[in-house]
Amino acid sequence: SAVISQKPSRDICQRGTSLTIQCQVDSQVTMMFWYRQQPGQSLTLIATANQGSEATYESGFVIDKFPISRPNLTFSTLTVSNMSPEDSSIYLCSVGDDHYNEQFFGPGTRLTVL
Amino acid sequence: AQSVAQPEDQVKVAEGNPLTVKCTYSVSGNPYLFWYVQYPNRGLQFLLKYITGDNLVKGSYGFEAEFNKSQTSFHLKKPSALVSDSALYFCAVRDGNAGNMLTFGGGTRLMVKP
Repeated sequence: SAVISQKPSRDICQRGTSLTIQCQVDSQVTMMFWYRQQPGQSLTLIATANQGSEATYESGFVIDKFPISRPNLTFSTLTVSNMSPEDSSIYLCSVGDDHYNEQFFGPGTRLTVL
Repeated sequence: AQSVAQPEDQVKVAEGNPLTVKCTYSVSGNPYLFWYVQYPNRGLQFLLKYITGDNLVKGSYGFEAEFNKSQTSFHLKKPSALVSDSALYFCAVRDGNAGNMLTFGGGTRLMVKP
């Protein structure tokens, strides 16, 4: 299994600002994903981070709000832009194995927007 | 479209008793099914998966799950619950014939009482 780290682990931000979350994996992986877990809710896929091309966003999520970078096969960032209290969530990075039959998750970033 | 239902928001069992956490799914193609566990302030940990083969799948920490195609279910079970099993459990499904999107159920909070 892959070891995934995320920075920061938590943050408290002001409305209207932006936060960039980093995800680092200890091995090269093809697929990287970003999920959101709102308080008391399940996980929702935000986007698939593609190396060398633009991320693929799920319905309800747009690049202007959640820009994603994937410069190589071990690293990705998710930015939460122009934040509002509704963005308060846990953001999780996930990676898939070569056959996409398992996904492993990072520890998450707990974001609170005031 | 694919979906997962976890009909119980919460399950309470006494330590030493068997536990069951229910999950039903809907998917167009071949179901790839997963169970994850989330402890407080932690990321998701993979428990087990069903891709193909035996309907009874054994996973980490003594958990197992049975794939039932006719009932489109993948219930999580453990013969003897531990207090340390208390956590949030998520069932997830992916269409094995199409894409890599993992859809999660709403989660079930398991409480094991001493």
